[in-house]
Amino acid sequence: DIQMTQSPSSVSASVGDRVTITCRASQGISSWLAWYQQKPGKAPKLLIYAASSLQSGVPSRFSGSGSGTDFTLTISSLQPEDFATYYCQQANSFPMLTFGGGTKVEIK
Amino acid sequence: QITLKESGPTLVKPTQTLTLTCTFSGFSLSTSGVGVGWIRQPPGKALEWLALIYWDDDKRYSPSLKSRLTITKDTSKNQVVLTMTNMDPVDTATYYCAHARRYYDSSGYSAGYYFDYWGQGTLVTVSS
Repeated sequence: DIQMTQSPSSVSASVGDRVTITCRASQGISSWLAWYQQKPGKAPKLLIYAASSLQSGVPSRFSGSGSGTDFTLTISSLQPEDFATYYCQQANSFPMLTFGGGTKVEIK
Repeated sequence: QITLKESGPTLVKPTQTLTLTCTFSGFSLSTSGVGVGWIRQPPGKALEWLALIYWDDDKRYSPSLKSRLTITKDTSKNQVVLTMTNMDPVDTATYYCAHARRYYDSSGYSAGYYFDYWGQGTLVTVSS
C-alpha cells in the first residue's frame, strides 16, 4: 500500500506569510495527487488536482507542484480564511485512495 | 448545482451493521467518469477513504476494510448506500459521501479520481 506522509504536522504563520506544506509518497504516483482544505466542523474542499492544477474557484495564491514521490502545496500570501487543515490524497494506486495525515495551519 | 447529503443512525451498538445512505442531486451516476465515494474521519484525526462506486457499477474498497464494506447505487433514486458490518467503537467517526470525477492533467491524460463535492457529513458513534 502507498503511504502518504505530510510535513510538518502543524505550522504557525502570520497573515501575509508564505507557507509551504510537503507530502511524500512511499512510492511513485506520477502526478496523481490532490490537496484539500478542511475547516473545523466542515467537509474538505478540493484545492489542487493532478499535483498542480487549480480547482475552479480556488484563489491563485494556492499552488501545487511535484511529481513522483515529492509534492508541495504553497500558499503565497496567507489570508485569515486560510487557517485550516490541509490534506493530500493520492489517486494512483488502486484500489487505494490514500490521504495524508494532515497539516494544521495555525495563527502565530 | 451538485449537492450530497448523508443519512443514517447516529448511534450503533458494537457488532451491529451500519447502513448509511447518500442522497445526491445535480448529477447522474450513470454519466461516464463519475463516481460517489465514502470517506470517514474519527474525531480529531485524519481522513480515511472507505469505498467508491463508479458510473459503470465498478466498486473499489479500502483493502483494510474490504471484508466489512458493501457499496451499492440506485441510479433512479440518486442514492448510494454503504453498509459496514461488525461495528466497533474505533469506527466512531464522521462519515462523508462525496462526488468523484475523473480529472485530466494539462496534457490531457487521465490524472485520477478526486472528490470535488462533499456532503456535510454525519457523526456515527459506536457505543453500547
